[in-house]
Amino acid sequence: DAKTTQPTSMDCAEGRAANLPCNHSTISGNEYVYWYRQIHSQGPQYIIHGLKNNETNEMASLIITEDRKSSTLILPHATLRDTAVYYCIVRVRGTYKYIFGTGTRLKVLA
Amino acid sequence: DTAVSQTPKYLVTQMGNDKSIKCEQNLGHDTMYWYKQDSKKFLKIMFSYNNKELIINETVPNRFSPKSPDKAHLNLHINSLELGDSAVYFCASSQDQRGTSTDTQYFGPGTRLTVL
Repeated sequence: DAKTTQPTSMDCAEGRAANLPCNHSTISGNEYVYWYRQIHSQGPQYIIHGLKNNETNEMASLIITEDRKSSTLILPHATLRDTAVYYCIVRVRGTYKYIFGTGTRLKVLA
Repeated sequence: DTAVSQTPKYLVTQMGNDKSIKCEQNLGHDTMYWYKQDSKKFLKIMFSYNNKELIINETVPNRFSPKSPDKAHLNLHINSLELGDSAVYFCASSQDQRGTSTDTQYFGPGTRLTVL
């Protein structure tokens, strides 16, 4: 019952920007978009989250469309260490529950 | 210093045995979680505790029993292990921020359970 859909896999050249899309067409007004990644079976790692405005931190940028039905995670200069599975998650504000989807396996190529 | 730690990292055991996995967080968080990641890499929440109180209990067999002796620890006990219990189990914690926008969960390194 994941509320997000993502491409199964993507490749990106090292040094280039990696743009990972996520569709969340049924998102509600009080639901946040979170991004996590999991590197080779380690514990998932928080990247960024947002509600309706675009967000940027030291790891990535998050672009949310005006209708909030989709978003894009941008890794501005991908490195080999960014190879991971990236999860886009929708979380209802005021709840503890994350529902992980199947994620996008990003492979950064040398 | 490790923020969320789990022991053991690997656990191999026979069907029918009872085993426990321990989790500790030193972040001062109020909420802790257990997730299961199966062989298809699908990550699913099992339980959540807030200040030692159970707040999320997904459809999990009652052979699984979480125990929170204090808010820094959440252990997972599994009775009568079955082959289908083989998975990686992740513990996580977060600050109680239900009323705000932030609820970043910090995950432990995982415990790989193999039931033979």
